[in-house]
Amino acid sequence: EVQLVESGGGLVQPGGSLRLSCAASGFTVSSTHMTWVRQAPGKGLEWVSVIFGDGTTYSADSVKGRFTISRDNSKNTLYLQLNSLRAEDTAVYYCACLHCDYWGQGTLVTVSS
Amino acid sequence: QAVVTQEPSLTVSPGGTVTLTCGSSTGAVTSGHYPYWFQQKPGQAPRTLIYDTSKKQSWTPARFSGSLLGGKAALTLSGAQPEDEAEYYCLLSYSGARPVFGGGTKLTVL
Repeated sequence: EVQLVESGGGLVQPGGSLRLSCAASGFTVSSTHMTWVRQAPGKGLEWVSVIFGDGTTYSADSVKGRFTISRDNSKNTLYLQLNSLRAEDTAVYYCACLHCDYWGQGTLVTVSS
Repeated sequence: QAVVTQEPSLTVSPGGTVTLTCGSSTGAVTSGHYPYWFQQKPGQAPRTLIYDTSKKQSWTPARFSGSLLGGKAALTLSGAQPEDEAEYYCLLSYSGARPVFGGGTKLTVL
């Protein structure tokens, strides 16, 4: 059975940092492209970042230079490092293999003083 | 950055047919945008219904189909069921591998 389990969310002050983790089981994260998607409270979905099988990464302009996607193949885990957080980064963050229909349950990041 | 547009809300009668569309501010949507469609119910994570314009997941009910229609990506629901009431999002890929979500369509089955 495929599972994606996110962790690492929480309350952080503006300007702070967090690292989100997405532990995968039932498939290999390095075998395909993996994506982070976020959803602000009551709002729609926003594409955040992708890492391809060859390690190439891309991020949305709204987070470029502040967020970094990575993975640890030995742990079969995807990460999203969030730096210089702003109030508008408050959202539920999902990791997913979009074309596989593998989604995590989401982890809530709240940026507030 | 491109803007992806969807109908904010649509209503369909049980058993009826409805088409949701997904347009791009850059022009006609083509297969090269690799359109995706996602379904999200309240309090749940999204699920991928359709990818690459018309490819279905193993769980995607046969009453859902994806296509290109009039310069847009389209999701057609034929024979709507109460359980199809949800928010539907499309996603289009652009050069530079930075795809963009549409704003979502709230579908009511009533």
